Amino acid sequence: QVTLRESGPALVKPTQTLTLTCTFSGFSLSTSGMCVSWIRQPPGKALEWLALIDWDDDKYYSTSLKTRLTISKDTSKNQVVLTMTNMDPVDTATYYCARIRGGYDPTNYFDYWGQGTLVTVSS
Amino acid sequence: QSVLTQPPSASGTPGQRVTISCSGSSSNIGSNYVYWYQQLPGTAPKLLIYRNNQRPSGVPDRFSGSKSGTSASLAISGLRSEDEADYYCAAWDDSLSGRGWVFGGGTKLTVL
Repeated sequence: QVTLRESGPALVKPTQTLTLTCTFSGFSLSTSGMCVSWIRQPPGKALEWLALIDWDDDKYYSTSLKTRLTISKDTSKNQVVLTMTNMDPVDTATYYCARIRGGYDPTNYFDYWGQGTLVTVSS
Repeated sequence: QSVLTQPPSASGTPGQRVTISCSGSSSNIGSNYVYWYQQLPGTAPKLLIYRNNQRPSGVPDRFSGSKSGTSASLAISGLRSEDEADYYCAAWDDSLSGRGWVFGGGTKLTVL
């Protein structure tokens, strides 16, 4: 059974760096084809894809946010970490992690999602 | 503002057939697969349709997807109360502004 769970601070101040952890089970990121992505959803707004890391440690980022994002993995702990620098109130959103099989490719899709974690950016 | 455009709401009565549209462009829906996700209140999004019209195991055949040109649709037949949820379309986008997955703004389906 595949599960993913996001964890991190519920509240961050403007200009701070956000660190979120995705802890997953039911698959391994050392298995060829396995990937984990981060997606966010501001309140009342659309989902937005942020970043992906694959089994080979290749990393891909949203063009609009790539200067602020870093994604990494700890295969032994079944965890993927996303950091986002210089947080702003517009970054207030529910942050989800999700699994993809097959890699960073138009034919692939998010087949399992975590429940999401709400991050509020406010002083 | 979403890259893919969905109506914010839809509704139907039990047993009815409802459709939810998703409009994009040549850089996303027009040249790539469309995916649909269902998000029940307070839960994680769940994959409903992949690669335009394929259902994952466990998804009832009441749910169907289609695509034509730069638009796609999700149809739900035999509407049930448990179908009340938010529905999102998604596709890969390959444009001057970057490459990656893009989503619609979501459609809230109400079962009257």
